[in-house]
Order: sequence, then C-alpha cells, then structure tokens
Amino acid sequence: DTGVSQDPRHKITKRGQNVTFRCDPISEHNRLYWYRQTLGQGPEFLTYFQNEAQLEKSRLLSDRFSAERPKGSFSTLEIQRTEQGDSAMYLCASRAGATNEKLFFGSGTQLSVL
Amino acid sequence: TQLLEQSPQFLSIQEGENLTVYCNSSSVFSSLQWYRQEPGEGPVLLVTVVTGGEVKKLKRLTFQFGDARKDSSLHITAAQPGDTGLYLCAGSGSSGTYKYIFGTGTRLKVLA
Repeated sequence: DTGVSQDPRHKITKRGQNVTFRCDPISEHNRLYWYRQTLGQGPEFLTYFQNEAQLEKSRLLSDRFSAERPKGSFSTLEIQRTEQGDSAMYLCASRAGATNEKLFFGSGTQLSVL
Repeated sequence: TQLLEQSPQFLSIQEGENLTVYCNSSSVFSSLQWYRQEPGEGPVLLVTVVTGGEVKKLKRLTFQFGDARKDSSLHITAAQPGDTGLYLCAGSGSSGTYKYIFGTGTRLKVLA
C-alpha cells in the first residue's frame, strides 16, 4: 500500500490552457473523491466516484471541469480554458466501502493559473 | 446548503496552554471526523465519532460529538509546537449526499 498518489504535484499554466491531473487511489478502495482547496480554507467537494460511476457532482464543477475514472482505478480531472480563479490545491481522496470509513488523501496538485 | 462552521478561524498560543476548537452545523451527520493538515500535504485523519454524545480521547486530544449529531469539539491539553497545523472537521452521512463536507478550518500555531 503506497497511499494515494497524485500527479503532478505542481502545475503552472497560462489562462486559457487546458490542464489534466491524475489520481491513483489505494488499490482496494472503490470510492474516490476530488476536492478543491484554497489557502487556509477547508476542502470543497467537487465530485465522487464509486468504482467507475460518477455518482455526485458539485455545482461548483462548471462545464469546464470534467472527471473520469474509466476502469474504476485511477481518475483524471481535466480543467478546460483555465481561469485565474481556478488556482487552488486539487486534492484526491479514496476510501474503502464501509460506512464512516476515513478518507485517505493524496498530497494534492497545486495549480497556478497566470 | 450544508455548512460546517469552525471557530476560531485562527489561534496562536504558547506551548503548554489548553485550547478548544468548535465545529457547528444545522445539519445532522451520521459521523463526524477530525483531520489535521500540514502545509503542502493532504489532510490526515485524527478521529471519527459516530454516536451522539460520544467522547473520544487520543493522548492530549479530546473529541466530543454533540447529542444531536450537529456539532463537535476538539480540546487539546498542554499544546505543543508539534500540534501546529490546520484542523478540519468533516461530516458524512447527511441525507441525500455521498460527500464528506469539510469545515472552514482552524489554523493553530503553538509557540515554543
């Protein structure tokens, strides 16, 4: 068990460019979450997958954001036409299926949009 | 909109002092978790409370879940510089959602 892995750790991009982040959850975890966090604030929920099914999306997730988990293992989060307001830490978390199970977080991808 | 409000937002104390952080909501949760986050890292779980009125102790940290399962508190006794970090509460099991809802966060700094 190597924990939740996120790539890249840091991404600097120009406004209007597209970016894609990858998350590799703990292998036996079938539930996966994406959160966004700005400095000093709590994480804001973006989306949730159970296996390959995307079961919940936040209204924060505009049509420029899309997430996939094609085989129920790793997940990707894509942001199209980035804006300066997209600058944040993007966190991925996974958990096992039992009720009230804890979330295991990755170290996040820090996105800076110039 | 389900919100978890934490107070205080910031706290700077001397080593050895005691402190309490509060987490309040108008929603009922089936469980409440507390996490600590270091700069540049993801949050790490400290404890999960699931029963109204439950009290859990983890060394110098005491966690309480409100009777109505809408609020929680974290008390740290004799704080140490190693306790410095961002403390986050997170509620789960609220009806109609799979998500874990995180609080607004309390940034604690313990000075040596």
